[in-house]
Amino acid sequence: EPEVTQTPSHQVTQMGQEVILRCVPISNHLYFYWYRQILGQKVEFLVSFYNNEISEKSEIFDDQFSVERPDGSNFTLKIRSTKLEDSAMYFCATTFSGGVAKNIQYFGAGTRLSVL
Amino acid sequence: AQKITQTQPGMFVQEKEAVTLDCTYDTSDPSYGLFWYKQPSSGEMIFLIYQGSYDQQNATEGRYSLNFQKARKSANLVISASQLGDSAMYFCAMRENGYNQGGKLIFGQGTELSVKP
Repeated sequence: EPEVTQTPSHQVTQMGQEVILRCVPISNHLYFYWYRQILGQKVEFLVSFYNNEISEKSEIFDDQFSVERPDGSNFTLKIRSTKLEDSAMYFCATTFSGGVAKNIQYFGAGTRLSVL
Repeated sequence: AQKITQTQPGMFVQEKEAVTLDCTYDTSDPSYGLFWYKQPSSGEMIFLIYQGSYDQQNATEGRYSLNFQKARKSANLVISASQLGDSAMYFCAMRENGYNQGGKLIFGQGTELSVKP
C-alpha cells in the first residue's frame, strides 16, 4: 500500500541551527501539508502546499519556516534558526485531488525534532 | 475559538467490549468533513473513518463506526469488540468547506484509550 515517507525519524539539533525535514508524498497526490504535535498536545496545522506554492499557512508558520518541493518528489520543511519551542513531532500529510469529497489526508510516521 | 472538542482525556475498556469516544465540533460552514485518526505509542497517525456533512448514513469501516448527530454537532467514534491493539490515542478532526479538496484539518485534544485484557 502506498505510504508517505518521512526522514529522518529523529533529528537532534542545537538551538539556532537550520534543519530540513523531508517527506516523500504518495505518488499521485497533489496537496501536501505539514503539521506539528508538541509532546502531549494536539496536532496543529502549519502549512498546505499545492501547485508549487503555499495554499494556506497558520500563525505558527512564521519567517523561520519555509517549504518547497525542489525535485518534484521530495517535499521539505526548513526551519532556519531553531528555537527550543520548535521541539515537536512534525508530520507530513498528503491527499489526492480528484473531485472526491472526502480527500483523506494520509500521514507519514513523523519526524521527532529535539532542539537542545 | 476551539472547533473540535474531545472531553475524555482517557478511557478504559475491557477487551471484546464496545467503546464510544466523544467528539463535538463547531462550524458555521454547511459543508465539512469529519475524520478520526488513531495514534499508537509509536507515533504515526492512522486514518480510521470519514463522515461528510451531507452523508445520509453513518459511516462504518470494519469495527469502527461513526455516530453522526448533525443537529447536536457530534461525531462520536464507536469501536466494537475492542482488541488490545486498539490501545492508542484517538483524534477527531474536521475539515471545513468539505468540498475544498485542499483544506486543512483541525484536530481535537485527543482521547487516550486503554484496552484491558
